[in-house]
Amino acid sequence: GQQLNQSPQSMFIQEGEDVSMNCTSSSIFNTWLWYKQDPGEGPVLLIALYKAGELTSNGRLTAQFGITRKDSFLNISASIPSDVGIYFCAGKEVQGAQKLVFGQGTRLTINP
Amino acid sequence: NAGVTQTPKFRILKIGQSMTLQCTQDMNHNYMYWYRQDPGMGLKLIYYSVGAGITDKGEVPNGYNVSRSTTEDFPLRLELAAPSQTSVYFCASRLTGADEQFFGPGTRLTVL
Repeated sequence: GQQLNQSPQSMFIQEGEDVSMNCTSSSIFNTWLWYKQDPGEGPVLLIALYKAGELTSNGRLTAQFGITRKDSFLNISASIPSDVGIYFCAGKEVQGAQKLVFGQGTRLTINP
Repeated sequence: NAGVTQTPKFRILKIGQSMTLQCTQDMNHNYMYWYRQDPGMGLKLIYYSVGAGITDKGEVPNGYNVSRSTTEDFPLRLELAAPSQTSVYFCASRLTGADEQFFGPGTRLTVL
């Protein structure tokens, strides 16, 4: 089935650094979602994007829907220890699709 | 609202045993999903349901069965457990017309 290529797979950073990760697809997506999974928990939605070029923020998080509609980006500014976790991108290929496609995840580790 | 609840949180099975993973949501969501999460592999869809009485296969349905007799419940059945089914299983639900899926806390299953 369709796969989303998410990178990097893991990141080790110092507290206070900015973080960037991205997700690419071989086909056009209609919707992009970014989730965060804390250790031992289920994923929780951070940001949803619906239009090409859209830039949306949620606190220190900013996500963008790529102009080509085949990619999306998530940035975290001034990282703090509670940002640790796995970040997943997810996409919906067509309007009204019943399923999401998920990326492999980016595991973020922060050194205090 | 309790949201999406899953039981058990942890389970160890022997090869060939069977078990049912329970999932309940109290948000009156029509759509429900079962995913498995293997290390570094993201979330793979096992089965999903668009409403009571309707289920459909996802990407990796082999070795699993589901039923949806009520809106609230969506149990996942493993009939003959195999080591390849060792994974973390997540149940999720969403409203019709919405993109956000709400996830349960997961069931960690080990098959030895």
